[in-house]
Amino acid sequence: GAGVSQTPSNKVTEKGKYVELRCDPISGHTALYWYRQSLGQGPEFLIYFQGTGAADDSGLPNDRFFAVRPEGSVSTLKIQRTERGDSAVYLCASSLLLRTDTQYFGPGTRLTVL
Amino acid sequence: AQTVTQSQPEMSVQEAETVTLSCTYDTSESDYYLFWYKQPPSRQMILVIRQEAYKQQNATENRFSVNFQKAAKSFSLKISDSQLGDAAMYFCAYRSYDGGGADGLTFGKGTHLIIQP
Repeated sequence: GAGVSQTPSNKVTEKGKYVELRCDPISGHTALYWYRQSLGQGPEFLIYFQGTGAADDSGLPNDRFFAVRPEGSVSTLKIQRTERGDSAVYLCASSLLLRTDTQYFGPGTRLTVL
Repeated sequence: AQTVTQSQPEMSVQEAETVTLSCTYDTSESDYYLFWYKQPPSRQMILVIRQEAYKQQNATENRFSVNFQKAAKSFSLKISDSQLGDAAMYFCAYRSYDGGGADGLTFGKGTHLIIQP
């Protein structure tokens, strides 16, 4: 079946604007994860969902970042009042089960804040 | 908190040769998972190989194998018969087994692998 998809592929915005990044997980995967990858770094965990609820959001850097998964499938990462430091690739991953299964990644959204 | 260290920012190998990428980690947990992911320029993270800490046998996947040394907290990746398509960033990652704390992966900074034709 189809893999994890993310839209848009690239997003350019201005400082202070609001952005939404979308993730479509593999069908049937109950766990969904968001990561942020800054230039030259490995991905950093932001948040994960088990079903509709955020099981752990301890990686979100501040309250400008918020994520939802209202129907337990598609998830949206929302960033308010964007800052230049938010520029990064935002990766989404999904897995069949929360604890034991391998995470499969999408191609990411490259966010550039001017 | 767990940490993952990849001490080789870049490695270069001749096509058809063997290369080993290093990874060390720090944890107080006894059960966990370790992974190697490959990230080509397309940005898509692709799972290369996975190791459960409770398994003594080293994982292998075709040309890819690991040397897992639990006591030394070392998890190196060996790529045999290197191919041009192996060129990419390689990330070592750790995940807790019992979900204590965040269940996300903890990644190293990556190793850029160059394949010389």
